[in-house]
Amino acid sequence: AQSVTQLDSQVPVFEEAPVELRCNYSSSVSVYLFWYVQYPNQGLQLLLKYLSGSTLVKSINGFEAEFNKSQTSFHLRKPSVHISDTAEYFCAVNNQAGTALIFGKGTTLSVSS
Amino acid sequence: ETGVTQTPRHLVMGMTNKKSLKCEQHLGHNAMYWYKQSAKKPLELMFVYNFKEQTENNSVPSRFSPECPNSSHLFLHLHTLQPEDSALYLCASSQESLTGVYEQYFGPGTRLTVT
Repeated sequence: AQSVTQLDSQVPVFEEAPVELRCNYSSSVSVYLFWYVQYPNQGLQLLLKYLSGSTLVKSINGFEAEFNKSQTSFHLRKPSVHISDTAEYFCAVNNQAGTALIFGKGTTLSVSS
Repeated sequence: ETGVTQTPRHLVMGMTNKKSLKCEQHLGHNAMYWYKQSAKKPLELMFVYNFKEQTENNSVPSRFSPECPNSSHLFLHLHTLQPEDSALYLCASSQESLTGVYEQYFGPGTRLTVT
């Protein structure tokens, strides 16, 4: 069965510091991997996705994630964070039937000045 | 701005009330979903509709009743809820292809409080 583990529930960082949010998955079928971001009192927004091809995927606001099949990981990174990046981040993988997504428990990124 | 809207945004109801949550997607997608988001728990998939047909029901109690009259609208009818049902209820849509589900687009959610 598919599953997602986000290893850190909370990650506090200072503004302009680099950050890595970790995500590991378990899957018995081909994977599609996603990172979503949720700002307070809002729904989830797609940040980036891996479907196939290049293992390094990037978002428009400076985040990137690398699909590592051997380590079954899809960690999210940003070289320099802003206060506005403070949010909840969710990693997700397609379920075995390919009919829905399975989400991790989320990581709260708190950026302070 | 998202292509998925949900109403109401906030709802307080007693355990004996009946209410409905509404979701509408303007993206031309063929699949819609209900998720429950509780504090400190992963998102829980409740129901999946594909081309208006329910394809998944993840052991959801019968006090939650979904309805999908067309591919753009999705309802969640609520009755005799329990306090532990208080949560953020999220609707999502996606375009399901032959190879499976790609990204899902979420609405802003309905914050439900059961008193």
